[in-house]
Amino acid sequence: GQQLNQSPQSMFIQEGEDVSMNCTSSSIFNTWLWYKQDPGEGPVLLIALYKAGELTSNGRLTAQFGITRKDSFLNISASIPSDVGIYFCAGQFLGNQFYFGTGTSLTVIP
Amino acid sequence: EADIYQTPRYLVIGTGKKITLECSQTMGHDKMYWYQQDPGMELHLIHYSYGVNSTEKGDLSSESTVSRIRTEHFPLTLESARPSHTSQYLCASSELGTNTEAFFGQGTRLTVV
Repeated sequence: GQQLNQSPQSMFIQEGEDVSMNCTSSSIFNTWLWYKQDPGEGPVLLIALYKAGELTSNGRLTAQFGITRKDSFLNISASIPSDVGIYFCAGQFLGNQFYFGTGTSLTVIP
Repeated sequence: EADIYQTPRYLVIGTGKKITLECSQTMGHDKMYWYQQDPGMELHLIHYSYGVNSTEKGDLSSESTVSRIRTEHFPLTLESARPSHTSQYLCASSELGTNTEAFFGQGTRLTVV
């Protein structure tokens, strides 16, 4: 099946720093989603993007739908300890199934 | 907050036992999904459904089966559990059509001994 490549695979940052991660695909999508997953829990939806070039914010989080429709970016500003977790991107083309990225593990050092 | 529930949250079971993982959603979503995920790893789609009486296999081959008799309910069954089935199982749902979002349950952590 379709695989989305997410980078970086893991990040270790100091509290207060900004974070950037991205997701790329070999195919175009018309929906990009970003999720956060805590250990032992299900993924929680953070941001949904539906239009190429769209930039959407949710508090300290900002995500962008790439112009080529083959990539998406997530930024977290002024990181705090509760930002720790694994971040997944997901893409969907028309009404088909969702394809998930390989995940970015974020560690925030107080 | 997503209204999708999975039970049990944790299950330890012996090899050869039959188990059913429950998933229910109260959002009226037509599409439902089961994903398998090893800790910290990517999600693999094992089954999905477009609605009542619809079931499809996902990209990852699985020995499990699913049924969709009611819109809100999408149980997953393993007829004979094996240690290789040890994993986290995540249920999700979404509306039909484009520009949709998938919402997840809290997952079932299955250990087969």
